[in-house]
Amino acid sequence: DAKTTQPTSMDCAEGRAANLPCNHSTISGNEYVYWYRQIHSQGPQYIIHGLKNNETNEMASLIITEDRKSSTLILPHATLRDTAVYYCIVRVVNYGGATNKLIFGTGTLLAVQP
Amino acid sequence: DAMVIQNPRYQVTQFGKPVTLSCSQTLNHNVMYWYQQKSSQAPKLLFHYYDKDFNNEADTPDNFQSRRPNTSFCFLDIRSPGLGDAAMYLCATSSRTTEAFFGQGTRLTVV
Repeated sequence: DAKTTQPTSMDCAEGRAANLPCNHSTISGNEYVYWYRQIHSQGPQYIIHGLKNNETNEMASLIITEDRKSSTLILPHATLRDTAVYYCIVRVVNYGGATNKLIFGTGTLLAVQP
Repeated sequence: DAMVIQNPRYQVTQFGKPVTLSCSQTLNHNVMYWYQQKSSQAPKLLFHYYDKDFNNEADTPDNFQSRRPNTSFCFLDIRSPGLGDAAMYLCATSSRTTEAFFGQGTRLTVV
């Protein structure tokens, strides 16, 4: 199973872009990168995912390097409500069988400062 | 509208007394997951179902069991809870290729 590595914590000023890095150097060709966040005492919330190309939705942008060994989640205009733990996850899918895992990395605590 | 529902939100059980946590979904997803999350740690996958096929993680203790009687429901049984089993238990669902949807979790206290 591919593992992910993230910084333990980051700070960001309110209104500025938050750039959260993730290393997944052992990722396989058919594994997706997913990002979730978890606000204290709540269930994780899906943010975005991608395979090779950069992706953007209403919440964030995902930049994946060409070799797919790392990615960056970008929150374009961070607000205080974006303070949370952000998890970078590699989706393990066994198309030939019945396993379909979602393994969490260590996560980054993003603190948005006023 | 809640799509993955976990009951109860808070559960207190006695040391060694069996306890069951439940999860239901309205999404008709074929994959259901159970995670354990201890304080200040990332969620740890215990096991997951792909339809009726049960997939146990190698390091999940035998004390933890699961049942999935139908597509909508999944249960986590802790046969003899110890103090170290106190945690938040998260249920999630997905299809084979969509993102996973998480419930709000059940916080288990063992006394």
